[in-house]
Amino acid sequence: DIVMTQAPLSVSVTPGESASISCRSSKSLLHSNGITYVYWYLQKPGKSPQLLIYRMSNLASGVPDRFSGSGSETDFTLKISRVEAEDVGIYYCGQLLENPPTFGGGTKLELK
Amino acid sequence: QVKLLQSGAELVKPGASVKLSCKTSGFTFSTSYMSWLKQVPGPSIEWIGWIYAGDGGTNYNQKFKGKATLTVDKSSSTAYMDLSSLTSEDAAVYFCARGPIGFAYWGQGTLVTVSS
Repeated sequence: DIVMTQAPLSVSVTPGESASISCRSSKSLLHSNGITYVYWYLQKPGKSPQLLIYRMSNLASGVPDRFSGSGSETDFTLKISRVEAEDVGIYYCGQLLENPPTFGGGTKLELK
Repeated sequence: QVKLLQSGAELVKPGASVKLSCKTSGFTFSTSYMSWLKQVPGPSIEWIGWIYAGDGGTNYNQKFKGKATLTVDKSSSTAYMDLSSLTSEDAAVYFCARGPIGFAYWGQGTLVTVSS
């Protein structure tokens, strides 16, 4: 199975500042069709995960454009600009290229 | 709008089975894939498998073969997951989600506690 490794485990951010979360996959997530199958999710406290970014850099419906995704074939970054209180929670990256889909261990974002 | 409403929390004895449900609305269930995922404190998320409501075709994570069985009832737009021979390792929150990948929509989760 593809292993997804996230860093850091937790990040503390001042509201209005930006934050970056890294994710590394154990193999390339670039498909021959040119699409990179990495996804980002946010799980707010007590809630279900919600999709933020799909196919590495595409913003899911209803997600503020303060969120952005980028990366290469194996290294990926989720950037949150101008962090707000509603951004608190655990962020997960996931690979949906190969069966079974696998997820990183999560990065907890807190406010200072 | 799309809604996935899961059944309530379950307390089950070791060795027993449990059936979880996920009632859907707001999209065409009969041509949709439904996935199930497991979350344990750690935290971590594991994909269990998906089922295609159109023909009942399934795709399981090898790890959950023999543990989870996915079914659907198209007449009620509901997906089900049976978990068998429960142990403490099966204690978790289980989510249903729409789609084989992407998971743009999730249920609220069902907590399964395994205890005698």
